[in-house]
Amino acid sequence: ETGVTQSPTHLIKTRGQQVTLRCSSQSGHNTVSWYQQALGQGPQFIFQYYREEENGRGNFPPRFSGLQFPNYSSELNVNALELDDSALYLCASSSLDRDHTGELFFGEGSRLTVL
Amino acid sequence: SQQGEEDPQALSIQEGENATMNCSYKTSINNLQWYRQNSGRGLVHLILIRSNEREKHSGRLRVTLDTSKKSSSLLITASRAADTASYFCATATNDYKLSFGAGTTVTVRA
Repeated sequence: ETGVTQSPTHLIKTRGQQVTLRCSSQSGHNTVSWYQQALGQGPQFIFQYYREEENGRGNFPPRFSGLQFPNYSSELNVNALELDDSALYLCASSSLDRDHTGELFFGEGSRLTVL
Repeated sequence: SQQGEEDPQALSIQEGENATMNCSYKTSINNLQWYRQNSGRGLVHLILIRSNEREKHSGRLRVTLDTSKKSSSLLITASRAADTASYFCATATNDYKLSFGAGTTVTVRA
């Protein structure tokens, strides 16, 4: 158990819809990272939030957006869903150390299916 | 695009045997980490090795890092059925993200 919780665990949407995924980080962690994992692939970095500010972004279009709240929980929003957005979305919390490259603690993920 | 590539893609071994998987990467790194994932669930951190380290142990796990060859290996000794999972290497540079490979799927047969 990492102490990172994600909701919902599964959801089904149709093309063009919008989705919000939620993540509660581990106590004491100030950083949340979101990853997309397609079937049979490794996780791909979407973005990271540190103390409520975006702290880096991967190669994802602007329709992927996020928020981090004062309690360090986070949301991932995806607009105008496409079939290729079907994936497992993983949230990971951490504390940025001076190297900004520490261990990540992952939640169990939200599996999104877009029809 | 993914920084790391694991080899082999899949591995099937008998319980009690050792499992070895390799990871190659392309750019200079700050550290390299290995994670385990059971059946499409969340990833679990196994071990982190820094760029100035060559070998690290944790229980039945042994990780090596060769920065001149840009490669790492993960050895699981005396494997158990519970070790059946996908294993991912992830590289960290001086920025904010981990870059994961596509993973090695390990099956331990009883």
